[in-house]
Amino acid sequence: SQQGEEDPQALSIQEGENATMNCSYKTSINNLQWYRQNSGRGLVHLILIRSNEREKHSGRLRVTLDTSKKSSSLLITASRAADTASYFCATDLPFGNQGGKLIFGQGTELSVKP
Amino acid sequence: DGGITQSPKYLFRKEGQNVTLSCEQNLNHDAMYWYRQDPGQGLRLIYYSQIVNDFQKGDIAEGYSVSREKKESFPLTVTSAQKNPTAFYLCASSIEDDTGELFFGEGSRLTVL
Repeated sequence: SQQGEEDPQALSIQEGENATMNCSYKTSINNLQWYRQNSGRGLVHLILIRSNEREKHSGRLRVTLDTSKKSSSLLITASRAADTASYFCATDLPFGNQGGKLIFGQGTELSVKP
Repeated sequence: DGGITQSPKYLFRKEGQNVTLSCEQNLNHDAMYWYRQDPGQGLRLIYYSQIVNDFQKGDIAEGYSVSREKKESFPLTVTSAQKNPTAFYLCASSIEDDTGELFFGEGSRLTVL
């Protein structure tokens, strides 16, 4: 039951360029999160945007959310070789009264060439 | 430092054998999760537990079993009934708030020979 779908599946850019990744989802959400995964490692939380927010910034990251289109984008500005990783969006689905479990997209594999 | 520890990092198993993956956290989180990741795919939820002595099946629980006898520990057993167990397994935990933000371990890669 994949909730999120991301595009592109892979993205290759030069250092210094901006990288934009998109995520679409199917049902109403409470929040949407972005995670990063270096090859062979665990995921690390980057940023969360709530359903009543439209844009959020954290350092070189900018996330937008359009609930009418059920989509989000992650922008990494002035990319660095160290940004090379896979990026996943995750949306919540409610269970019980304790918040939601997360459903992950298939990820965008970003390669930043020096 | 607080975090989640998974072991072993790499594990090889013969067909027909059960194997148990360890997951320990010292973050004092109530909820813990096991995800499976296959190449080029996202994470799929195997089992989750919101409280000690209680756990729920996720989307792909068949062939797996878990226990939650302690708050800190959530081991996953991959049984011989799991038809295609070769994968990368990720354990995560979260506090019970409205964000559901997950904290992940470094993963265990299981290969069936």
